[in-house]
Amino acid sequence: EPEVTQTPSHQVTQMGQEVILRCVPISNHLYFYWYRQILGQKVEFLVSFYNNEISEKSEIFDDQFSVERPDGSNFTLKIRSTKLEDSAMYFCASSFYTDTQYFGPGTRLTVL
Amino acid sequence: AQRVTQPEKLLSVFKGAPVELKCNYSYSGSPELFWYVQYSRQRLQLLLRHISRESIKGFTADLNKGETSFHLKKPFAQEEDSAMYYCALSGRDNYGQNFVFGPGTRLSVLP
Repeated sequence: EPEVTQTPSHQVTQMGQEVILRCVPISNHLYFYWYRQILGQKVEFLVSFYNNEISEKSEIFDDQFSVERPDGSNFTLKIRSTKLEDSAMYFCASSFYTDTQYFGPGTRLTVL
Repeated sequence: AQRVTQPEKLLSVFKGAPVELKCNYSYSGSPELFWYVQYSRQRLQLLLRHISRESIKGFTADLNKGETSFHLKKPFAQEEDSAMYYCALSGRDNYGQNFVFGPGTRLSVLP
């Protein structure tokens, strides 16, 4: 069964550095999403992406964040200048339509 | 504002006992409700969606629009059901598409 994959599984970075989190959605899916989960807190929606553009974004998704689908298979989340409070688990998800989302295993981002 | 609440952070039951994980939502439009499960060290997985009205791993959930609830139930809990359960809402209103997760309930099934 196809799955969403994410790399790396764990990323450690210094505050102020840029990070790129990578996701490979399920191949025939059309909608792509990023979520984050700060340790001990709930899963929070960041952004959804469809037809090569952002379709929805939350208040968390400020100018420090950007998403891209550079090559038709990868879906990336970039954080330009990381802050301590960006430390979290970041989940990518994809769906064929705006219904059932399939999640990746997550990338744990640690900002020092 | 869209919101999903799960009042219990932790729910412990004995094996073979019935279990009910509560979920309430507030949403102005017509939402689609889901239950996701996260077993230890695994990814979030879809367990149920309300429109499919199916039973997965013995779990069922009924959308009650009057009470704005989507409680997850299983008549006889198993130890392998121990996991984190998230109720989630997806819907479109005048402001766009919304995806909201509840805070989650950790189910612990004791032997």
